[in-house]
Amino acid sequence: QKEVEQNSGPLSVPEGAIASLNCTYSDRVSQSFFWYRQYSGKSPELIMSIYSNGDKEDGRFTAQLNKASQYVSLLIRDSQPSDSATYLCAVPFGNEKLTFGTGTRLTIIP
Amino acid sequence: EPEVTQTPSHQVTQMGQEVILRCVPISNHLYFYWYRQILGQKVEFLVSFYNNEISEKSEIFDDQFSVERPDGSNFTLKIRSTKLEDSAMYFCATAGVLTDTQYFGPGTRLTVL
Repeated sequence: QKEVEQNSGPLSVPEGAIASLNCTYSDRVSQSFFWYRQYSGKSPELIMSIYSNGDKEDGRFTAQLNKASQYVSLLIRDSQPSDSATYLCAVPFGNEKLTFGTGTRLTIIP
Repeated sequence: EPEVTQTPSHQVTQMGQEVILRCVPISNHLYFYWYRQILGQKVEFLVSFYNNEISEKSEIFDDQFSVERPDGSNFTLKIRSTKLEDSAMYFCATAGVLTDTQYFGPGTRLTVL
């Protein structure tokens, strides 16, 4: 069974601090990894994709990938109250269908 | 910016009734997906569709479910005889040819009474 694991939280971070979200996956051959943000009652919204080992930065967001450890993370710098949401890690195992983790609920405290 | 749209936003139905959920993909996308999310649970894959046929389906996608692209623009999910446990958010997602990035529609909340 191919799995994506996330700490469900909740994770509380003060406004302006760095939020760190982690994800592990079970399939060593996976090549692409996605972070989605989901507000309560809404659909997943793509935040970042990452394909290569190392860091990928986009504004306040940085995705980090370590394929040897089967680990992908998302850092949110200068956290804002609007960043409060559930963050979903998603991996396409084999074919293009996405397998999602349970998501980490992030709360930014003003 | 192009986006995936879904109708209706909320559908209430009686158990045993048929429902059709509709999705309009981003115009140049050729890969289409349905996912569902039961309240408080993770997003689950239902089915993928490419070149007018199902390319993969999950064990959830049994004979009660079907998909089609009736007119070259809409992509539909039909549930023939709804059960209480079909109550969930149903998301359509689409992807282009040269990327595996999937973009999600706003979802349809299905409530089966």
